Amino acid sequence: QSVLTQPPSASGTPGQRVTISCSGNSSNIVRNYLHWYQHLPGTAPKLLIYRNDQRPSGVPDRFSGSKSGTSASLAISGLRSEDEADYYCATWDDSLSGWVFGGGTKLTVL
Amino acid sequence: EVQLLESGGGLVQPGGSLGLSCAASGFGFSSYAMSWVRQAPGKGLEWVSRISGSGGSTYYADSVKGRFTISRDNFKNNLYLQMSSLRPEDTAVYYCAKLYDYGDLKFWYFDFWGRGTLVTVSS
Repeated sequence: QSVLTQPPSASGTPGQRVTISCSGNSSNIVRNYLHWYQHLPGTAPKLLIYRNDQRPSGVPDRFSGSKSGTSASLAISGLRSEDEADYYCATWDDSLSGWVFGGGTKLTVL
Repeated sequence: EVQLLESGGGLVQPGGSLGLSCAASGFGFSSYAMSWVRQAPGKGLEWVSRISGSGGSTYYADSVKGRFTISRDNFKNNLYLQMSSLRPEDTAVYYCAKLYDYGDLKFWYFDFWGRGTLVTVSS
C-alpha cells in the first residue's frame, strides 16, 4: 500500500489530453514539493516534473504539473505513442522522514 | 552526461547477504547526496536509504533499518548498499539515484537514476 494514491491505469488516444492524479495528506503533499517520474520497465526512471510544476530541460511542454492542497496532477497534452509508460508521483514525508511514492499509473496510448 | 550504473544483484537465500554497487560519472559525485530506491515485482517505487555527499550522514527506511548499510567512496565515485538478513520481501530491482539536494529537504528530488539491478531473495 503506497503512501501516495494514484489511479493504477489511464489511457487516451493520440492527440488527446490526459491527467493523472496523486493524493496524499498534510505530512507529505501539503507541506512539500511534488515531483513526477516517467518509467519504462527495464530503463532508468526519468524526472518529468520537479517542485510541483517545473520541467527539467529537454522535457516537452506537453507535460505539466500542478498541486493544490492534498492532491497533485500531471497533465499530458497532445498524447503520443512514446508517452506510453508508468508514471509515479513522489514527495518528502515529514512524519516518515523519508521520500514516499505513489503506486504508479500505467498510461496506455490507444 | 550523468551516468549511474548499478551492479551486484543476484539470487540470495533468505537470511543471506549481498552487496550492491553504483558507479557514478558525469557530475561532481562528492557534492551530492545519493539514494537507493527499490521496486518489488508488480509494485511501486520505495525509497530505501540516502547518504550525504561527504558520507557522514546516513538515513534508512524503517523496512531496512538495522539490516542495510549505505556507504560511498568519493575517490572512486562509487555508491554502495550492503544488505544482510535478507527477506523474500526484499526482492526488487534496486535503483541508484542522485539527489538534487540544495536547500531544505522539501526542495530535494531525485534528478538522475540508473537502470537498476535485480535482487532475488529465495530458497
